[in-house]
Amino acid sequence: KQEVTQIPAALSVPEGENLVLNCSFTDSAIYNLQWFRQDPGKGLTSLLLIQSSQREQTSGRLNASLDKSSGRSTLYIAASQPGDSATYLCAVRVRGNTGKLIFGQGTTLQVKP
Amino acid sequence: DVKVTQSSRYLVKRTGEKVFLECVQDMDHENMFWYRQDPGLGLRLIYFSYDVKMKEKGDIPEGYSVSREKKERFSLILESASTNQTSMYLCASSPGGGAPSNGYTFGSGTRLTVV
Repeated sequence: KQEVTQIPAALSVPEGENLVLNCSFTDSAIYNLQWFRQDPGKGLTSLLLIQSSQREQTSGRLNASLDKSSGRSTLYIAASQPGDSATYLCAVRVRGNTGKLIFGQGTTLQVKP
Repeated sequence: DVKVTQSSRYLVKRTGEKVFLECVQDMDHENMFWYRQDPGLGLRLIYFSYDVKMKEKGDIPEGYSVSREKKERFSLILESASTNQTSMYLCASSPGGGAPSNGYTFGSGTRLTVV
C-alpha cells in the first residue's frame, strides 16, 4: 500500500531564507507527483506537477524534484516571503486510469517578516 | 480560467438531514473525486468516478453515496447526516490516465457542520 510522508510537519523561517520541504513515498510505481498549497480554510492550489519520467519542474521561485528510485521528492522555495506561509501538500498519483491521489500529511510553513 | 466549483462554501445541517454537496467542473475531465479533510487525519478519499454513471468507493465511503449523471457534475450525498461528518469536503477532477497534463484541480471546499 502506497504511503506518503512529509517532513517536517511544521517549519518557521525568517523572510528571505531558501528552504526545502521533503516528501517520501513507499512505492515507486507512480504516475506522477503533485505539490499543492493550502491556505487556512481554503481548497488546494496546484503548484507543480512532475511526471514519473521527469526529474524536476520549476515555476518562479519554486522548484520540485523527483527521484523515483529512492521514493523522494523535494520542494525548494527560494527567497521565501511572508505570503508563502501556508500548508504544502505532496501527493502521488497511483498507476491506473482512475488516478487516485495519495496525500502526505503536509508541512505547515510560517515565514516571519 | 478552468475551474472546479463547489456550490456552497459553508453549510450547517441538523443531525438526520439528507445533505447534498454539489461539484461542477468545466474542463471536460473524466475523473472526479470527493475527499474529506480533518485535522490530524489529512485528506481521505470518500468516492470517485471515472465516467458518467460510474462510481468507485474510496477509503471511507460509509455514510455517503454519490451521483454522476452528467460528465461535469459529481454530487456527494449524506443520507442521514451525523455529527461525525462535520468536516471540510473537497471536490477534485482530473483528466483520464492518457492525457498529457493529468494533474488534479481542486474546488475551494465546503465546510459542513452537523449540529
